[in-house]
Amino acid sequence: EVQLLESGGGLVQPGGSLRLSCAASGFTFSSYAMTWVRQAPGKGLEWVSTILGSDFTTYYADSVKGRFTISKDNSKNTLSLRINSLRADDTAVYYCARTVREDYIGALGYWGQGTLVTVSS
Amino acid sequence: QSVLTQPPSVSGTPGQRVTISCTGGSSNIGAGYDVHWYQQLPGTSPKLLIYGSRNRPSGVPDRFSGSKSGTSASLAITGLQAEDEADYYCQSRDSSLNGWVFGGGTKLTVL
Repeated sequence: EVQLLESGGGLVQPGGSLRLSCAASGFTFSSYAMTWVRQAPGKGLEWVSTILGSDFTTYYADSVKGRFTISKDNSKNTLSLRINSLRADDTAVYYCARTVREDYIGALGYWGQGTLVTVSS
Repeated sequence: QSVLTQPPSVSGTPGQRVTISCTGGSSNIGAGYDVHWYQQLPGTSPKLLIYGSRNRPSGVPDRFSGSKSGTSASLAITGLQAEDEADYYCQSRDSSLNGWVFGGGTKLTVL
């Protein structure tokens, strides 16, 4: 059974940093692209970043480019998101997600339960 | 303001058929990229309903179907049930943004 478990969220001051983690199990982690999606309170889904499974190519939304860094540790089956220079509009639930199939990079078939990041002084 | 436009809300009565549209442009749906659809029940993580514009993951009822034409896509739900009341999102890749985008979401109310 595919399982994704996020951690690392919390209350952070503006300008601060945070590292989110997603522990994956139940599948061959190295074979799949992984994605972070966020959802601000009462708002819609926003794609944040994707990392490919094979060559670690990364993609970022313009709103986070230069501040967020996605990484993948295939030896530990862990996906990470390093977030720097946090702003109030980064407040959101952050979801870790896996593609439904190896060849459908964008179709997110498995989701974690999410971790809440709150940016406030 | 998302590059994929969805109606903010739709409604229907039990048993009815409803459709949710997703309108994009030449850099996403019109460029031939697949459209994926998600359902998000209140307080839960999103669930993939349709991928590759018309494919259903295992376990998704055949009451849900997807289609794509030109720069638009649609999600159709037949035999509407009370449990279908949720938020629905479309998603596609966008070449101009070099990434993926979600629509703004549509709230489905079952009357």
